[in-house]
This record gives sequence, C-alpha cells and structure tokens, in this order.
Amino acid sequence: KAGVTQTPRYLIKTRGQQVTLSCSPISGHRSVSWYQQTPGQGLQFLFEYFSETQRNKGNFPGRFSGRQFSNSRSEMNVSTLELGDSALYLCASSPGLAAYTDTQYFGPGTRLTVL
Amino acid sequence: GEDVEQSLFLSVREGDSSVINCTYTDSSSTYLYWYKQEPGAGLQLLTYIFSNMDMKQDQRLTVLLNKKDKHLSLRIADTQTGDSAIYFCAEIPASNTGKLIFGQGTTLQVKP
Repeated sequence: KAGVTQTPRYLIKTRGQQVTLSCSPISGHRSVSWYQQTPGQGLQFLFEYFSETQRNKGNFPGRFSGRQFSNSRSEMNVSTLELGDSALYLCASSPGLAAYTDTQYFGPGTRLTVL
Repeated sequence: GEDVEQSLFLSVREGDSSVINCTYTDSSSTYLYWYKQEPGAGLQLLTYIFSNMDMKQDQRLTVLLNKKDKHLSLRIADTQTGDSAIYFCAEIPASNTGKLIFGQGTTLQVKP
C-alpha cells in the first residue's frame, strides 16, 4: 500500500499571502489529522477530519482551516500568513473507525517558510 | 490535563542500549506510541503498546509501561548510528478524537 503523501513538499510564501496544502491518506483510511511542528512549540494538533466532517479542532486561530473530500483527501488552508506560521506541517491518516485507538501514520510533511 | 514529558537529549555509544523515558498525565489513553523522526522527514511509527500491557517487545525495541506512575520507556538494544534521530512518545486521550498529544521529543545521538 502506498503511504501518506503530501504536496507540495516545500513552499515559500510572503506575509499576508494564503497557502493550501494537500494530503492524500493511505488507501482505505477515512481519517486525516493535521499537525504543526515548530522548534519552539513542538508538535501541535490542528484538526481532524473524518468522512468530510471536522471531528476535532486544536487551539489555532481561524486563519487555519481545512476540509476533506469524498475520496478522503484533505487540504488545509492558512490565510493571511504570518512569520510565525513557518513550520513543518504534517498530516496523518488512520482508519478512523475507532477514534481513540486508531494508529496514525504520517506523511513526509510540507515545509512552509514565510518571509 | 494533557501533558507528555520527555528528556530532551541522550547520547550513547554504538552497540550500547538506549533507554528513552516519557511520562504522561491522561490515564484514559488506550494506546501509547513511539514515533521516530529523522532530519527533514516526517514521523515514522516505531511501536505502540496497549494500556493494559506492561511490556511489548519488537525485535530490538522493548516498551515498558508503568500505568500506576504513568511512565513509558523505549529501550533500543544494540544501538546503531542509524538510530540517531528524534524520538517522540505520544498518547490519544479518550476525550480527544484523532488528536495525538506529543512529548517534546528526545534527540538520540549515537557515537561510533
């Protein structure tokens, strides 16, 4: 089975712009979770989608949003970029049917740099 | 509350055993996980343990769980230079669908 794929792998944007990141989960997985990784804050949960619905959300401002399509692929969007949004954005997929026990498998991440 | 703590750095010699420790606060978590991250890469699932187990062995990896003290450890036998990476422990509290809570990560340095 192919693993989790994320596109693009690297992205450079300037402050005020917006960005869309994409994640394709493992075939058959219906849950996608997104995380932000920075040196200062570590790994922080952004949100989780299952069957096109957001099931859980972390403590991030409304500039961070996401969605999931019927084929389980997910996108996250960050509007009005700030310097502090520079990070590695990771998505993880899991079967999604046992929300508290499903093992999450991660993609390689998208490295976002905001100038 | 949700909190996972790890020591930040461990240095060992090649061939020695490495032990990475983790403490967590939420006893509702059903599974506890260990992930590995190499430079510039995503997170690789190493192993996980069910909360009603005390120990799990998987080739060179041994996970020990002390549920009373909420303490988790990962032992890597015969550590190799290829094991140099950051290791994260993580839990999913029952109150939080699909949300892994991670420790800060332990950087393992393996000296030849």
